[in-house]
Amino acid sequence: ETGVTQTPRHLVMGMTNKKSLKCEQHLGHNAMYWYKQSAKKPLELMFVYSLEERVENNSVPSRFSPECPNSSHLFLHLHTLQPEDSALYLCASSQDSRTGTGQPLAKNIQYFGAGTRLSVL
Amino acid sequence: DQQVKQNSPSLSVQEGRISILNCDYTNSMFDYFLWYKKYPAEGPTFLISISSIKDKNEDGRFTVFLNKSAKHLSLHIVPSQPGDSAVYFCAARARDSSYKLIFGSGTRLLVRP
Repeated sequence: ETGVTQTPRHLVMGMTNKKSLKCEQHLGHNAMYWYKQSAKKPLELMFVYSLEERVENNSVPSRFSPECPNSSHLFLHLHTLQPEDSALYLCASSQDSRTGTGQPLAKNIQYFGAGTRLSVL
Repeated sequence: DQQVKQNSPSLSVQEGRISILNCDYTNSMFDYFLWYKKYPAEGPTFLISISSIKDKNEDGRFTVFLNKSAKHLSLHIVPSQPGDSAVYFCAARARDSSYKLIFGSGTRLLVRP
């Protein structure tokens, strides 16, 4: 148990469906992330929220829509997905700490949930 | 183009021997490196990290070495145990980024009893 919980663990959806992935962290962190891991590919960062504001958006298609209502919860809303969107979606959280000059501290370790295995038919 | 590469997709090692997992990177702005371990049906878990101001960091059976001139890092596990069998990911973070980790594609380690 890493303190980051993702639901559901598995999801099968059609291309016309709308579904949401949920992530909750119990670590008191102030930053949350969505990653995508496709087969035989590295983890790809999709979105980052820090203090509930989106700070990174890596050219992700608009059919993926993140939502961060508070620092403990993160959602990924899915609609009209394509079969190539089938992948493992991982949520992570970290404590974003900075020096007095605004430089990030080294030890902003990201802690991951177990992921949602998504299949788009 | 991948900025972090793990060129060995798999590695098999006898229990008790040393496991050496390798990682190469291309971006000279990377100043912090991490290793994560992933078991099936679980998320990646943080294992060990190293800052670019060091060339070695040790934590029990796990040691990470960093060769900045070669842009290469390695994870040594000694002695290897069957419970170490997992996929190991190398990740790097750039100097000016608090958030963005660039991951390698992973190396699957099998430790044979």
